[in-house]
Amino acid sequence: AQSVTQLDSQVPVFEEAPVELRCNYSSSVSVYLFWYVQYPNQGLQLLLKYLSGSTLVKGINGFEAEFNKSQTSFHLRKPSVHISDTAEYFCAAENTGGFKTIFGAGTRLFVKA
Amino acid sequence: SAVISQKPSRDICQRGTSLTIQCQVDSQVTMMFWYRQQPGQSLTLIATANQGSEATYESGFVIDKFPISRPNLTFSTLTVSNMSPEDSSIYLCSVEDRGVVGTEAFFGQGTRLTVV
Repeated sequence: AQSVTQLDSQVPVFEEAPVELRCNYSSSVSVYLFWYVQYPNQGLQLLLKYLSGSTLVKGINGFEAEFNKSQTSFHLRKPSVHISDTAEYFCAAENTGGFKTIFGAGTRLFVKA
Repeated sequence: SAVISQKPSRDICQRGTSLTIQCQVDSQVTMMFWYRQQPGQSLTLIATANQGSEATYESGFVIDKFPISRPNLTFSTLTVSNMSPEDSSIYLCSVEDRGVVGTEAFFGQGTRLTVV
């Protein structure tokens, strides 16, 4: 992957509302795609990943993401967010034959009561 | 999976001094990575550390400023040398099992460095 773009730096949303965090990538080759979450004062942990097969990927904590090859997107969604989902979310891509993971700039999800 | 312990979790240092960050993994891994995460920004790869060889540095990072050791398959250190306030950042250790297709990265909890 040559770049990963997260279109929103911050997303405020009310509790129990749906949310979508957007991610686009650019690459001349096939990629693996990942979403990571970083809670305050912690390292990153994997939410979900797309390697191949079904374009809809389900992850932990009720999150899912859809790979759209024609739009080179991998948007993250959750139908109903909780206060505890407040965190920084990073989209990442890795070339299938590659060596390096490229991270997006991150989206800060802020869930309000 | 891999569990990574990173020390210290945070530190406040005087400019001109050096800080060594330790990264301990609960299993043997071939490749370890050091990232910098500046305030409000994404992760920037500093270098890749392989056991038994010199670390490979990314553009903009040099060994004299960020020397890395990798004495065995479960441990690595990153030193931030001759620090300035611009080095204030979170430093993250990461591992990936490149022998497994599409494997994810595992991260330590990070070291929050403030240089005054």
